[in-house]
Amino acid sequence: DGGITQSPKYLFRKEGQNVTLSCEQNLNHDAMYWYRQDPGQGLRLIYYSQIVNDFQKGDIAEGYSVSREKKESFPLTVTSAQKNPTAFYLCASSIEDRGAYEQYFGPGTRLTVT
Amino acid sequence: AQKVTQAQTEISVVEKEDVTLDCVYETRDTTYYLFWYKQPPSGELVFLIRRNSFDEQNEISGRYSWNFQKSTSSFNFTITASQVVDSAVYFCALSEAISNFGNEKLTFGTGTRLTIIP
Repeated sequence: DGGITQSPKYLFRKEGQNVTLSCEQNLNHDAMYWYRQDPGQGLRLIYYSQIVNDFQKGDIAEGYSVSREKKESFPLTVTSAQKNPTAFYLCASSIEDRGAYEQYFGPGTRLTVT
Repeated sequence: AQKVTQAQTEISVVEKEDVTLDCVYETRDTTYYLFWYKQPPSGELVFLIRRNSFDEQNEISGRYSWNFQKSTSSFNFTITASQVVDSAVYFCALSEAISNFGNEKLTFGTGTRLTIIP
């Protein structure tokens, strides 16, 4: 089955530690995205990548880093510089369909930092 | 800057009632797309619909219908004969081209939590 996988579903870390969230897709999509969701808020774009070896900052990139070495994978590292890392993180990928780029989302990773 | 407003934070209705979720947007683009996503308790966003800014026809899909009015910058979503399985958070989103590649950034509203009471 084609889709987007994010692992793990729940992640716990101590403050000051870097943590990497996994995102893999087998949809053959070129573009991938990372969003952050906080309680009572919509999703906010962290980083996006349009092709392999290229990525751009979104609206809230500070304290995060990404890499795109393979088309299928777009891992997100939450660094110790991110002041409020506890959140729900969603990965997405997109493909052009009749002029629009429809985004498909993974199941998300809930990160808790204490 | 683009903006999406979902003024209704939470709505509760009794099962089988109809319910409308409001969405108002702001954009300077002449070409754009509007989306609705459903987020059940599991957390994954489920795509419901996409509308092109040039197509103002209302759309119906089973118990779901969407009313797009460019004159009022609104894209409202109605569920007819609601069911308990409709309980979720619903997000309205607006697309914006972010590069020459054509890939799009989505601006999301803050969501409306819909609870259907059995």
